[in-house]
Amino acid sequence: AQSVSQHNHHVILSEAASLELGCNYSYGGTVNLFWYVQYPGQHLQLLLKYFSGDPLVKGIKGFEAEFIKSKFSFNLRKPSVQWSDTAEYFCAGRISSGSARQLTFGSGTQLTVLP
Amino acid sequence: GAGVSQSPSNKVTEKGKDVELRCDPISGHTALYWYRQSLGQGLEFLIYFQGNSAPDKSGLPSDRFSAERTGGSVSTLTIQRTQQEDSAVYLCASSGVQARKLFFGSGTQLSVL
Repeated sequence: AQSVSQHNHHVILSEAASLELGCNYSYGGTVNLFWYVQYPGQHLQLLLKYFSGDPLVKGIKGFEAEFIKSKFSFNLRKPSVQWSDTAEYFCAGRISSGSARQLTFGSGTQLTVLP
Repeated sequence: GAGVSQSPSNKVTEKGKDVELRCDPISGHTALYWYRQSLGQGLEFLIYFQGNSAPDKSGLPSDRFSAERTGGSVSTLTIQRTQQEDSAVYLCASSGVQARKLFFGSGTQLSVL
């Protein structure tokens, strides 16, 4: 069965610290991978996505993620976090030929950045 | 409107009562989805509407849950005889023709006492 795993449930960092949130997927074929962010009191927003090509994907607000096929991973990174990055982060994935309803989400990682 | 709109933003109800949650998708979006986010869990797919096609109801957890989409636009998710385990954030999302990118509403926080 398709699944997306986020092993960090809650991450607490100080401002300027570097961030890496783990995401692993289990799919048999070509995948599309996403990171969504939900700021407090707001709806989910797309942070970045990987469909094909360069495995290092750059998103909004200085975030990036690297698709490593051999490790079935799509970890989210940011070199220096800010207090405003406090939010819930969701990794999601789907088979590339599927429609959006086959999108599978991880359980989310709550990031708290201390000022 | 500019985005997906959901109402109410918060709903507190007593066990056994019926509730209706509303979603206004982005104008022109043909696909509409309902998801549920329970505490400590990932998003759970509930139901999917695409144009005039029969909806995909495969994610609805029980027959107490139903959803309609009138005129290909506004959708209502109805939960009958609510139970405490129904407490969650209910998210609506819409997407355009190619269904490649989802746009989410801010959700309805449902609390069943």
